[in-house]
Amino acid sequence: QQQVRQSPQSLTVWEGETAILNCSYENSAFDYFPWYQQFPGEGPALLISILSVSDKKEDGRFTIFFNKREKKLSLHIADSQPGDSATYFCAASMTNSAGNKLTFGIGTRVLVRP
Amino acid sequence: EAAVTQSPRNKVTVTGGNVTLSCRQTNSHNYMYWYRQDTGHGLRLIHYSYGAGNLQIGDVPDGYKATRTTQEDFFLLLELASPSQTSLYFCASSDVGGGQNTLYFGAGTRLSVL
Repeated sequence: QQQVRQSPQSLTVWEGETAILNCSYENSAFDYFPWYQQFPGEGPALLISILSVSDKKEDGRFTIFFNKREKKLSLHIADSQPGDSATYFCAASMTNSAGNKLTFGIGTRVLVRP
Repeated sequence: EAAVTQSPRNKVTVTGGNVTLSCRQTNSHNYMYWYRQDTGHGLRLIHYSYGAGNLQIGDVPDGYKATRTTQEDFFLLLELASPSQTSLYFCASSDVGGGQNTLYFGAGTRLSVL
């Protein structure tokens, strides 16, 4: 049973467009949601994160929108660049849990065409 | 920036073989993790540790052992490798457990079990 779901599995956008990646979760106790970015041949790296007390988090061209009632969130990549081509993982955890056990989604593979 | 080094980067073994994957982090982080990454499943936690001599069971532990010999070194052991364990394995570390801690990942070990 996938506790964190991501869609679409792959996404192609043109340079300059906004890419929208979706994520939903099952466990209402999750309150911390990081997004990790992974380039081919590398390990994932933290891109941006949000706590459930917020409904929006921005960092440059990357924005998380969070809807606690619907247990959904999305990552928007504005003005997409070819260098943004990567796989993006949505993850979730409970901030009061030992070991910071993150539950990851299956990832969205983004391709930005110049 | 956290440094997590995995070895080997690639490994091929046969069914029933004995494999050890190594991970070293050089930032004095308390927590270390082993994940496997598979298409359609994302990242799944195998084992983790919050210090030398400690081991915690993750979400997909069957067929795997792990040992944390020092604060820096965390090993994943496959004593009777099976083709289902063909995967991309990532080690990660974080400063403390719980909260909003960032996981720092190594570059991964690609394991093929023939």
